Amino acid sequence: EIVLTQSPGTLSLSPGERATLSCRASQSVSSTYLAWYQQKPGQAPRLLIYGASSRATGIPDRFSGSGSETDFTLTISRLEPEDFAMYYCQQYGSSPLYTFGQGTNLEIK
Amino acid sequence: QLQLQESGPGLVKPSETLSLTCTVSGGSISSSIYYWGWIRQPPGKGLEWIGSMYSSGITYYNPSLKSRVTISVDTSKNQFSLKLSSVTAADTAVYYCARHHGGWSDPWGQGTLVIVSS
Repeated sequence: EIVLTQSPGTLSLSPGERATLSCRASQSVSSTYLAWYQQKPGQAPRLLIYGASSRATGIPDRFSGSGSETDFTLTISRLEPEDFAMYYCQQYGSSPLYTFGQGTNLEIK
Repeated sequence: QLQLQESGPGLVKPSETLSLTCTVSGGSISSSIYYWGWIRQPPGKGLEWIGSMYSSGITYYNPSLKSRVTISVDTSKNQFSLKLSSVTAADTAVYYCARHHGGWSDPWGQGTLVIVSS
């Protein structure tokens, strides 16, 4: 089973700052099958990034994804108030078919 | 715009079977390029994939739940369903249905909280 470890667990930043979230896999993951989601309290996760670096429909260009093999990064270039939320990375393809990281809580400093 | 909506009992007794349905609107569940799945989230915790299926009936389950899970589809109603047997308090969670495309899930239903308690 591929384990995804996200860091940091909590990231405290101010609006306007740059956020860098990490997702490390215990084994190599195809970039095609690495995704990022945003989840706000009481809401379902929302797809942000798929294929490691492609933005989903309607996602602002301040969100970007990068990485390969075992190290992936979600970057938010300039934080807006609505960006403070939980973020999860997810891989597809290795049993179990989908696994998620434990999440990074992006909170307002 | 595709929408998914979960429905089912919010309270299930221990040892019984949890049953949920996901109704898909704004698109056909029979599309061959998508498949459909269930993900859950215990209160205050992370996301766990339960299982997924194609409209053809091919299913994939999380090995940790496989012995207790059944996912089925009703194309005539544009719905798919989840059954989880022999539930315990550890199965208390918000259950989401979602459409899968490639290696990602989008969109998701709003989720439904299922509490396992006597």
